[in-house]
Amino acid sequence: RKEVEQDPGPFNVPEGATVAFNCTYSNSASQSFFWYRQDCRKEPKLLMSVYSSGNEDGRFTAQLNRASQYISLLIRDSKLSDSATYLCVVNPAGRRALTFGSGTRLQVQP
Amino acid sequence: GAGVSQSPSNKVTEKGKDVELRCDPISGHTALYWYRQRLGQGLEFLIYFQGNSAPDKSGLPSDRFSAERTGESVSTLTIQRTQQEDSAVYLCASSSTGANAQFFGPGTRLTVL
Repeated sequence: RKEVEQDPGPFNVPEGATVAFNCTYSNSASQSFFWYRQDCRKEPKLLMSVYSSGNEDGRFTAQLNRASQYISLLIRDSKLSDSATYLCVVNPAGRRALTFGSGTRLQVQP
Repeated sequence: GAGVSQSPSNKVTEKGKDVELRCDPISGHTALYWYRQRLGQGLEFLIYFQGNSAPDKSGLPSDRFSAERTGESVSTLTIQRTQQEDSAVYLCASSSTGANAQFFGPGTRLTVL
């Protein structure tokens, strides 16, 4: 089983739609959680950290469910510029490096 | 402030040649990582440095791959006797500690002919 699993998509949504991605992780003792976005042929960029209480940054909301070991990302009012691959990232306990999921591709259409 | 930088941005080499890829992390970041990303694929972890030591080299695919870091700053990834399957984008990232968010450089696109 992979340490971090994501639905690869693609998710094709119209502009203005709300879209949600989930990610599951295998190590219940994991400590740190993040979402990154990666545009085509570019490096990954940090989108937001994910906190136990959930957090919001503008149109983006991240949630952590420790009991079920999943992380979610909600994007409201999708823009064309949101089209990218979204990477779920976890710091598994006992390791000092982050583990990246394979990513979920989002395509926002006009 | 300055982000992570990598050089060269592109490298084309012939099969069997050695290549060196360089990464300059964000100043003060003690943790440094190398990843490989083949076209259309996810990130493949290669090696992690904490300071100048590498506590996790588990991702290096073969003994043709090696990396070093000096002065708790610059890191070099060396690939010896390159093969066509080594063609990929090599990404470097740094963070203030191993558990914190990583910041990526723009990558080096390696093409082995």
